[in-house]
Amino acid sequence: DGGITQSPKYLFRKEGQNVTLSCEQNLNHDAMYWYRQDPGQGLRLIYYSQIVNDFQKGDIAEGYSVSREKKESFPLTVTSAQKNPTAFYLCASSIEPTGGELFFGEGSRLTVL
Amino acid sequence: GQNIDQPTEMTATEGAIVQINCTYQTSGFNGLFWYQQHAGEAPTFLSYNVLDGLEEKGRFSSFLSRSKGYSYLLLKELQMKDSASYLCSPVNYGGSQGNLIFGKGTKLSVKP
Repeated sequence: DGGITQSPKYLFRKEGQNVTLSCEQNLNHDAMYWYRQDPGQGLRLIYYSQIVNDFQKGDIAEGYSVSREKKESFPLTVTSAQKNPTAFYLCASSIEPTGGELFFGEGSRLTVL
Repeated sequence: GQNIDQPTEMTATEGAIVQINCTYQTSGFNGLFWYQQHAGEAPTFLSYNVLDGLEEKGRFSSFLSRSKGYSYLLLKELQMKDSASYLCSPVNYGGSQGNLIFGKGTKLSVKP
């Protein structure tokens, strides 16, 4: 079945450590996104990519980095520069690069100890 | 600028009807999505409106008025499983968020 797979589902990290969240899709979608969700908050865009080898910063990109070397993969690295990284991270993809229905992965919950 | 307003929380009774409103201010508007998100899970697509009027899909309907910057999601014959957050998401061409922006969501609690 086609879909988006995020891993790991739960992750614990010590302060000062970088961590990479995986996102893989087999939907053949051009666009991929990373969102962060905090309790009681909506989705805030970290980075998005409309095509392979290209990506743009969202509203809260500071302290994060991404790559898009393959169409199906869009990993997110949470660096030690991110001041408050504990959150629920959602990866999504869409057929239309300019904005369309989003298909989400199951999410990764990161806790910094 | 971009601004989306939804009620933070709503409570309704099983079997009843509830309407969740969303007002938005965007530039380059091109349609509006509604998503459902159960606690701890990923959002899932409910509806998409690009023209004014009501779109009906089973127990759920969504309405859009582009001139008023207003949409609502109507849930009929409420079931306990409808307890979730509902996210309003206008498509905003030219914005900084990949053309998709989200409200903070409305947490709906359905009581027996």
